[in-house]
Amino acid sequence: GDSVTQMEGPVTLSEEAFLTINCTYTATGYPSLFWYVQYPGEGLQLLLKATKADDKGSNKGFEATYRKETTSFHLEKGSVQVSDSAVYFCALYSGAGSYQLTFGKGTKLSVIP
Amino acid sequence: EAGVVQSPRYKIIEKKQPVAFWCNPISGHNTLYWYRQNLGQGPELLIRYENEEAVDDSQLPKDRFSAERLKGVDSTLKIQPAELGDSAVYLCASSVTGMNTEAFFGQGTRLTVV
Repeated sequence: GDSVTQMEGPVTLSEEAFLTINCTYTATGYPSLFWYVQYPGEGLQLLLKATKADDKGSNKGFEATYRKETTSFHLEKGSVQVSDSAVYFCALYSGAGSYQLTFGKGTKLSVIP
Repeated sequence: EAGVVQSPRYKIIEKKQPVAFWCNPISGHNTLYWYRQNLGQGPELLIRYENEEAVDDSQLPKDRFSAERLKGVDSTLKIQPAELGDSAVYLCASSVTGMNTEAFFGQGTRLTVV
């Protein structure tokens, strides 16, 4: 079945540091890939998405590239801010008739001033 | 525009008691999902509706869980009786129908069973 594996957290970075959160997936067919973010006390929000190989999703300075050859969708940001502190979830939407989001376990990011 | 609204935000009950959660999706969204998120885990699908029809309930523990979506709008998820292991955050999400469309999530209901 479909699955998503994210790097274990928590991750603690200083403000303006470079961020990478690794995500790899297993899926049948050609899934769409997503990053969702959950800020403290809030619901899940879509951060970015990519629907086909080599697509790059980007939003709020974050970006991720859909790499079919390595089955990966790593999240990156060049300079994190305190306000980026949240839990980040990688997810996929399989094209094989399973019309649901399959999530990774989430990675908690804390950015300190 | 209002987002997905869930209530209550928090619920504490004793084991063996019943509990119900309510979700109002975004207007015009035909697809509604209920997810369960255990502590430190990602959300897992319980049930998906297309309008008023439950099209995927394969992961819903049907011995104690039930759900309905009257008139294809609001939805209720019920647990009866609750067990200690049901403590989790229950998330509702909605989207327009289609594979690549964005799912919008509510803030969730945090259930604690004591």
